[in-house]
Amino acid sequence: DQQVKQNSPSLSVQEGRISILNCDYTNSMFDYFLWYKKYPAEGPTFLISISSIKDKNEDGRFTVFLNKSAKHLSLHIVPSQPGDSAVYFCAASGSAGNKLTFGGGTRVLVKP
Amino acid sequence: DGGITQSPKYLFRKEGQNVTLSCEQNLNHDAMYWYRQDPGQGLRLIYYSQIVNDFQKGDIAEGYSVSREKKESFPLTVTSAQKNPTAFYLCASSIGNGPYEQYFGPGTRLTVT
Repeated sequence: DQQVKQNSPSLSVQEGRISILNCDYTNSMFDYFLWYKKYPAEGPTFLISISSIKDKNEDGRFTVFLNKSAKHLSLHIVPSQPGDSAVYFCAASGSAGNKLTFGGGTRVLVKP
Repeated sequence: DGGITQSPKYLFRKEGQNVTLSCEQNLNHDAMYWYRQDPGQGLRLIYYSQIVNDFQKGDIAEGYSVSREKKESFPLTVTSAQKNPTAFYLCASSIGNGPYEQYFGPGTRLTVT
């Protein structure tokens, strides 16, 4: 049973435009959400996180939105750059512990 | 320069052999983790440790073993009992128990033939 799902395996976007990545979760105990970026054969790099007490968190070009009622979060990258081409994972945890549950990832290709 | 190191980057073993993957961190983090990634899939938790001399099974612990004798080290042994050991293995650490970011090492690709 996948508790964290990224339903779009891939996304292609033009340089300078917005990339929107989506993530759905089923476990109502999750209250902390993170996005990671991963290049092939490397470890994931932390991008941005959001606590369930917020509905938006922004850091430079990256904004994460959380809709608790829909159990849905999204990552917006504006403007998209060629260096953003990577696989993006969303992850979730409950405040009771530090285990992360990851989604399957979305591969983003930013075209020049 | 603080970070997490994993060695080696690539590892090849024959079926039936145990193999130990190294993970070291100098971030002074209490918690450490081992994940496995298969092609086209997300990361799955194998084992984690919140403090020295203590560790818990993750979602796919069968065929693996760990030890946590030192705060900075969390080696993972892939035993011959693991049915599909070929994968990309990632080690991570975080400050401690709670909703904290985990920081990842560069990974070890293990190929068993």
